[in-house]
Amino acid sequence: QVQLQESGPGLVKPSETLSLTCTVSGYSISSGYYWGWIRQPPGKGLEWIGSIYHSGSTYYNPSLKSRVTISVDTSKNQFSLKLSSVTAADTAVYYCARDIVVVVAATEGFDYWGQGTLVTVSS
Amino acid sequence: DVVMTQSPLSLPVTLGQPASISCRSSQSLVYSDGNTYLNWFQQRPGQSPRRLIYKVSNRDSGVPDRFSGSGSGTDFTLKISRVEAEDVGVYYCMQGTHWPQTFGQGTKVEIK
Repeated sequence: QVQLQESGPGLVKPSETLSLTCTVSGYSISSGYYWGWIRQPPGKGLEWIGSIYHSGSTYYNPSLKSRVTISVDTSKNQFSLKLSSVTAADTAVYYCARDIVVVVAATEGFDYWGQGTLVTVSS
Repeated sequence: DVVMTQSPLSLPVTLGQPASISCRSSQSLVYSDGNTYLNWFQQRPGQSPRRLIYKVSNRDSGVPDRFSGSGSGTDFTLKISRVEAEDVGVYYCMQGTHWPQTFGQGTKVEIK
């Protein structure tokens, strides 16, 4: 059974960088699939942030692209998110998930999700 | 970006009765490979989202057959044939045809 678990600070100061890691178990990232990040502001809907392949190939949401970096560490079976210059608008539950990309930029969505981690941006 | 519009946003339903959620996209979701990458997710209170349906009408493993998806082009529907208490939550459609992938606003299903 594929399982994902997010980890990282729950509180980040404005203008600093948010950093989260997703640890995958039950499946080797090197075996394939894309791996993505999605966020959900409190009481609001879902927003895709970006996804990465085990090779390191990435694709990002253009609305966040200038501030986002997603990386992968296959040796640890982890992938990570960095979001720079955060503001209160970046306060959200951040989820990691497996992204079923079937052809370039076309996806069947996310079939396995982590439990999510709340990140609050506040001084 | 492709805008996904769901209706209704709130859906009170009687146990055992059917429910239907509409999702419309601002552009056709037919991809160049002929497939339509329209997916549905369920988010129960306090839980992570869960994929129910992919490519319009394909149910994920373990999803009860009371859930069904249909539609084409820009108009899609998620139907629950007989609502059960465990179906309470928010349902999202998501298009994966056009980059970036985008979600609808969500439809909250509650029991009357």
